[in-house]
Amino acid sequence: GIQVEQSPPDLILQEGANSTLRCNFSDSVNNLQWFHQNPWGQLINLFYIPSGTKQNGRLSATTVATERYSLLYISSSQTTDSGVYFCAAASETSGSRLTFGEGTQLTVNP
Amino acid sequence: ETGVTQSPTHLIKTRGQQVTLRCSSQSGHNTVSWYQQALGQGPQFIFQYYREEENGRGNFPPRFSGLQFPNYSSELNVNALELDDSALYLCASSPADWSSYNEQFFGPGTRLTVL
Repeated sequence: GIQVEQSPPDLILQEGANSTLRCNFSDSVNNLQWFHQNPWGQLINLFYIPSGTKQNGRLSATTVATERYSLLYISSSQTTDSGVYFCAAASETSGSRLTFGEGTQLTVNP
Repeated sequence: ETGVTQSPTHLIKTRGQQVTLRCSSQSGHNTVSWYQQALGQGPQFIFQYYREEENGRGNFPPRFSGLQFPNYSSELNVNALELDDSALYLCASSPADWSSYNEQFFGPGTRLTVL
């Protein structure tokens, strides 16, 4: 099945800094989602982005499907951005099941 | 619009027992998927239900089973609990049929502890 790798595994920032999280995947994707997992465990949908670029406030994402990677940009980070960010993908061969990466643990210090 | 809900929030069981977890899909969604998330890892796909039929299964033993009801809600059943079954169990729904790749929305999860 599809493999999903995220980098970096850990990221520590000062409030106000910008960051880029990367997601590499091993197959053509029909679904690519970015999530933020809150401290209680719920996965919050950030982007559904199998291709192209989207923006939502301080967050934006780009997926380059032909090169099999996606990037999540966080600008002017805030302490409330802290948490684990997951990338998940589904390919034609894996059906609609999502395969998750291991996540990026983001810590934003005041 | 009501989101995905799960019950119970937390559950403690002992090894060998059986457990049932419940999920109500988001309004208008007819596909439900279950995932297991061990501590410090990403969620792992267990299985998916569409139109009350299992539609794909991950690498989990048969003691993990499920149901989907006509109202699209779902249950996850785990028999003969093992210590390694301790995890956060997440349910996701999507407005999809088995061949499409629509956005999935997750519930708050059930945290299962097996002693």
